[in-house]
Amino acid sequence: GAVVSQHPSWVICKSGTSVKIECRSLDFQATTMFWYRQFPKQSLMLMATSNEGSKATYEQGVEKDKFLINHASLTLSTLTVTSAHPEDSSFYICSAREPVGGYNSPLHFGNGTRLTVT
Amino acid sequence: QKEVEQNSGPLSVPEGAIASLNCTYSDRGSQSFFWYRQYSGKSPELIMFIYSNGDKEDGRFTAQLNKASQYVSLLIRDSQPSDSATYLCAVNDSNYQLIWGAGTKLIIKP
Repeated sequence: GAVVSQHPSWVICKSGTSVKIECRSLDFQATTMFWYRQFPKQSLMLMATSNEGSKATYEQGVEKDKFLINHASLTLSTLTVTSAHPEDSSFYICSAREPVGGYNSPLHFGNGTRLTVT
Repeated sequence: QKEVEQNSGPLSVPEGAIASLNCTYSDRGSQSFFWYRQYSGKSPELIMFIYSNGDKEDGRFTAQLNKASQYVSLLIRDSQPSDSATYLCAVNDSNYQLIWGAGTKLIIKP
């Protein structure tokens, strides 16, 4: 149980274009999903918390107009990197909590999306 | 600022031995504790979680929690080369914010 699917696994785009990443909870409903970014040899950095039916909560230093998050249903959250630049190249990973156990439940992660901006 | 600290390693352990990974946290009101394994280029995978003081065993893995000393550890028995990865400790603090350690790189030598 608690499977999170993320698509695409990797994407290469040109500077200035936008890229959309999808995150789906396959066997449970997720009112909240979390988007992380990880640069090579660095730890996970929380970018934003995605809330179904409401605006996402962004961490300090993350531009909400650049990283658009939409959580339109209980099983789907999307992250759109707008006007991507080479410095946005990173590993983006979404996650969701197991539905049982509330806030103390563990996070389960999608397989991640490796974004390369040329 | 609330922190979770791990030795970055690398920690080198012979195959078949016990690997011991440690993590300390600063928020005494922390609620729940998680260990994730992350292979290079992959996303984190949940290994264990623990909520109460003491030991919790699952196969070759044992999580140990000591809230008084504010540390949590992960023991891997009969270490295998496939256990070589970075192990991330994550702690749910008193506000249910998940705080991540930087990870310990574990190398199991055949």
